[in-house]
Amino acid sequence: GEDVEQSLFLSVREGDSSVINCTYTDSSSTYLYWYKQEPGAGLQLLTYIFSNMDMKQDQRLTVLLNKKDKHLSLRIADTQTGDSAIYFCAESSASKIIFGSGTRLSIRP
Amino acid sequence: DADVTQTPRNRITKTGKRIMLECSQTKGHDRMYWYRQDPGLGLRLIYYSFDVKDINKGEISDGYSVSRQAQAKFSLSLESAIPNQTALYFCATSDSHGTGDGQPQHFGDGTRLSIL
Repeated sequence: GEDVEQSLFLSVREGDSSVINCTYTDSSSTYLYWYKQEPGAGLQLLTYIFSNMDMKQDQRLTVLLNKKDKHLSLRIADTQTGDSAIYFCAESSASKIIFGSGTRLSIRP
Repeated sequence: DADVTQTPRNRITKTGKRIMLECSQTKGHDRMYWYRQDPGLGLRLIYYSFDVKDINKGEISDGYSVSRQAQAKFSLSLESAIPNQTALYFCATSDSHGTGDGQPQHFGDGTRLSIL
């Protein structure tokens, strides 16, 4: 079945770039998403990319999509303490969305 | 006011009790979903509904039931709660007509449920 995988933890220094990686299995996915979850809150849509795009940039966020390898990444430039959260990769599949297990991003001074 | 509202936000109850979690939305979306979140497992889909007359099982529907009372309301019931249903539960909505924005799902803030 469909599956989305991502590493569980990432630690970066404040001001550096963070890169969160994700692999997915459904080659027919139309959209791929990145969600952010802060403590005590639900998931907030950060950005998404249509499957016929290779890259999407939105301020400090850059999404890269490699369809051949079914690999998605989220780069956060100039990482700040407010970026501490769990980041979920997700793919659209048969009118549903399949989520990865989330990557917890922690920022060290 | 939140677009997707879940009640209660926290609940502690005993094994065997019947529990209902409620979700209401003001976004006008036709699709609604219930997920549970467990540490290290991400979100798993319990049930989803594409309109008032439509109910579909997700990957972990056993032990749960749902009711779509109106387009804006979708409730989740645990008929006889057991400790391994302790988790964080999320309701989400999406708009099937919103193809221009990638049909993302919009989440409530969650209900933290503990079964003793």
